Amino acid sequence: EPEVTQTPSHQVTQMGQEVILRCVPISNHLYFYWYRQILGQKVEFLVSFYNNEISEKSEIFDDQFSVERPDGSNFTLKIRSTKLEDSAMYFCASSESGQGYEQYFGPGTRLTVT
Amino acid sequence: GQSLEQPSEVTAVEGAIVQINCTYQTSGFYGLSWYQQHDGGAPTFLSYNALDGLEETGRFSSFLSRSDSYGYLLLQELQMKDSASYFCAVNTGGFKTIFGAGTRLFVKA
Repeated sequence: EPEVTQTPSHQVTQMGQEVILRCVPISNHLYFYWYRQILGQKVEFLVSFYNNEISEKSEIFDDQFSVERPDGSNFTLKIRSTKLEDSAMYFCASSESGQGYEQYFGPGTRLTVT
Repeated sequence: GQSLEQPSEVTAVEGAIVQINCTYQTSGFYGLSWYQQHDGGAPTFLSYNALDGLEETGRFSSFLSRSDSYGYLLLQELQMKDSASYFCAVNTGGFKTIFGAGTRLFVKA
């Protein structure tokens, strides 16, 4: 069964450093998303991406964040200068349809900023 | 603002039926989804309602009333493995999905 994969599973970084989180969406999906979840809290929408451009972004997704699809398979989230409050689980998801129907989530990357 | 309200916790016994409600207030609405998340795991899609009515998938059913901005997830024949968090989520249009805070379901033997 096809699945979304994410690397690394856990990333530890120092405050102010740049991190890149990587995702490989399901191959025939066209819509890609990043979410974050602070421990014990709800899943928060960050950004959606379609046709090589951002479709929607939340208030959380400020200038410190960027997304890219550098090739035909990878989808990345970059945080330019990490803050302590960026510590969270980051989930990538993909879907066939852009209406949010049945998004498939990856296993997540736990980001710890020290 | 945009909000989704669901109970924080529900407890039920194995074999029982449990209903998890969700009310929403969002700027746009395309559909209501439900996701299951086990501790340490990723959200897993359960169901989606774009139109009023009941959708059934095995032991899980989901209901939507757009006029009441209300939906629920019904879990039947509860099993221990159903112990997890359940999130309702609204697709507000334009490829944006807002999640509720989640309902933690405890299934007791």
